[in-house]
Amino acid sequence: DAGVTQSPTHLIKTRGQHVTLRCSPISGHKSVSWYQQVLGQGPQFIFQYYEKEERGRGNFPDRFSARQFPNYSSELNVNALLLGDSALYLCASSLDGATNEKLFFGSGTQLSVL
Amino acid sequence: AQSVTQLGSHVSVSEGALVLLRCNYSSSVPPYLFWYVQYPNQGLQLLLKYTSAATLVKGINGFEAEFKKSETSFHLTKPSAHMSDAAEYFCAVKGTNAGKSTFGDGTTLTVKP
Repeated sequence: DAGVTQSPTHLIKTRGQHVTLRCSPISGHKSVSWYQQVLGQGPQFIFQYYEKEERGRGNFPDRFSARQFPNYSSELNVNALLLGDSALYLCASSLDGATNEKLFFGSGTQLSVL
Repeated sequence: AQSVTQLGSHVSVSEGALVLLRCNYSSSVPPYLFWYVQYPNQGLQLLLKYTSAATLVKGINGFEAEFKKSETSFHLTKPSAHMSDAAEYFCAVKGTNAGKSTFGDGTTLTVKP
């Protein structure tokens, strides 16, 4: 079975541009979460979606948005990119998003903002 | 509120030596605790999780961790390090928000031959 897949793997943008990152969860998983991992730090929670509804949001500005589609795949959108948005963006899926569930992570999208 | 502190951003051990990676947590509710491993250019992979069933949790690749409520700790150990254990390790806690895992800043483990 395929794991969590993310696209693209690498992306280079310039300040002020917009970016869309994509994630396909493991088959059967209904919950998708997004994390930002800046070099040298642990992942920071951005969003969680379950059954197409936002279940949780981290401390990120409104430039960050996401959505989940009927097939449970998800997109993360970032507007008006800043240099500080350069990071590894990780998508994780789980069956129901319950508190005791482990997360299955994709390999991430490395975003560089110049 | 929940938080995680990983003591020591870098740990170096010799092959065959004991591995001890430290994690202390803070949570306003009984926590669920996790250890993940990240190899270069890869996502995170679960090593083990604590969900209140047993305080000593065994994971993959010979790792285990003990939940100590009195010390608010969940340290990760392995009796004998292998070269393949070299990676970055993250401790994470889940509490009130089911969807949110709070991660520590990670510990990079180096294994010397």
